[in-house]
Amino acid sequence: SAVISQKPSRDICQRGTSLTIQCQVDSQVTMMFWYRQQPGQSLTLIATANQGSEATYESGFVIDKFPISRPNLTFSTLTVSNMSPEDSSIYLCSASTSGGLVARYFGPGTRLTVL
Amino acid sequence: TQLLEQSPQFLSIQEGENLTVYCNSSSVFSSLQWYRQEPGEGPVLLVTVVTGGEVKKLKRLTFQFGDARKDSSLHITAAQPGDTGLYLCAGGGSETSGSRLTFGEGTQLTVNP
Repeated sequence: SAVISQKPSRDICQRGTSLTIQCQVDSQVTMMFWYRQQPGQSLTLIATANQGSEATYESGFVIDKFPISRPNLTFSTLTVSNMSPEDSSIYLCSASTSGGLVARYFGPGTRLTVL
Repeated sequence: TQLLEQSPQFLSIQEGENLTVYCNSSSVFSSLQWYRQEPGEGPVLLVTVVTGGEVKKLKRLTFQFGDARKDSSLHITAAQPGDTGLYLCAGGGSETSGSRLTFGEGTQLTVNP
């Protein structure tokens, strides 16, 4: 199993600024992912964070807007750049301890409000 | 774009009632997972089913994977207020998604005491 923590848990930011969200896993994991979720709704995958290389982004998400780092097997960051109110959402970090299909763990999320 | 459709989207029942949540797709998945999410927390994995026709039980929860691996159901017997939450199905390992999980739209369950 894996326990995931995220910082900050919530933030209120001004339009045009950037926020970096940190994700820490208590054990080494194979894969790490970043999702976005509106409260009470489904999850949308932003990107897969690859250790030692550039993240793999899903359609509709670009590196300039959502730069991601993964310097080792237990840590990743997601930056939301040049924020607008449309970026207000819950951002979730996820990790898998296997090849990606079997076990999937989630952090508690970061609730972002952009004014 | 493949889609996992969940129904119902909202469900409000009384304690002690039974309920079933459905997850349907036109795509074949090699595995399907069910999660429960409570406010302010991330989704928690309840079960993974990988074999067509597979049935798994977790206390009062029964999960079934369709024979064709395109659909799944979650049945809760004698629901309790602690079962309240957002239930999400997620399919993985399809030809188009690879290792990425495709999430359903979610079912918001409220169990009233």
